[in-house]
Amino acid sequence: NAGVMQNPRHLVRRRGQEARLRCSPMKGHSHVYWYRQLPEEGLKFMVYLQKENIIDESGMPKERFSAEFPKEGPSILRIQQVVRGDSAAYFCASSRRGLAGGPGEQYFGPGTRLTVT
Amino acid sequence: AQSVSQHNHHVILSEAASLELGCNYSYGGTVNLFWYVQYPGQHLQLLLKYFSGDPLVKGIKGFEAEFIKSKFSFNLRKPSVQWSDTAEYFCAVGGSSNTGKLIFGQGTTLQVKP
Repeated sequence: NAGVMQNPRHLVRRRGQEARLRCSPMKGHSHVYWYRQLPEEGLKFMVYLQKENIIDESGMPKERFSAEFPKEGPSILRIQQVVRGDSAAYFCASSRRGLAGGPGEQYFGPGTRLTVT
Repeated sequence: AQSVSQHNHHVILSEAASLELGCNYSYGGTVNLFWYVQYPGQHLQLLLKYFSGDPLVKGIKGFEAEFIKSKFSFNLRKPSVQWSDTAEYFCAVGGSSNTGKLIFGQGTTLQVKP
């Protein structure tokens, strides 16, 4: 049973470029979460999605960041016009349960390490 | 405000020593509690979780944690650590009825010397 897949594992972007991070949840999981880990800090929640719906985006920066989880295909975290402060590890997690049954166990992917030069 | 605090940022132990990593949280309402581990070069893995019932929970690899509601704590313990336990450990809390968001502590790096 494949785990949560994320690609790319490493991404280098110049300031002003766009970054697209992909996440494929575990088989049978329909809830996806994105977290960001800055150096020397814990993971910070960004957004929670179900298929075609954003459930909670309270941790997303107001500008330049967006996320989607289409009916078909992986979840995408998109960062437009990247700046040096966006350099971080971005982790995706998936779970089977969501609102109705509490948070459930979240299974994490290996992360994408974004470096902005 | 919702928050999780891990007391120790960096712990160094010798093999066979006992381990206790502190975790305190601030959260309104019923909570679900988790400990995750991140071995060098690997992704986060769930060590153990508390949803309800017995406040002493046992996880993988000999780890256990005790939920003390009155102290808002969920400390992680292991009687005898091994070199292979060298990793970063994260405590996390989520509400039982919220959207699934987990709030993480800043992590504790455990280094076990052979």
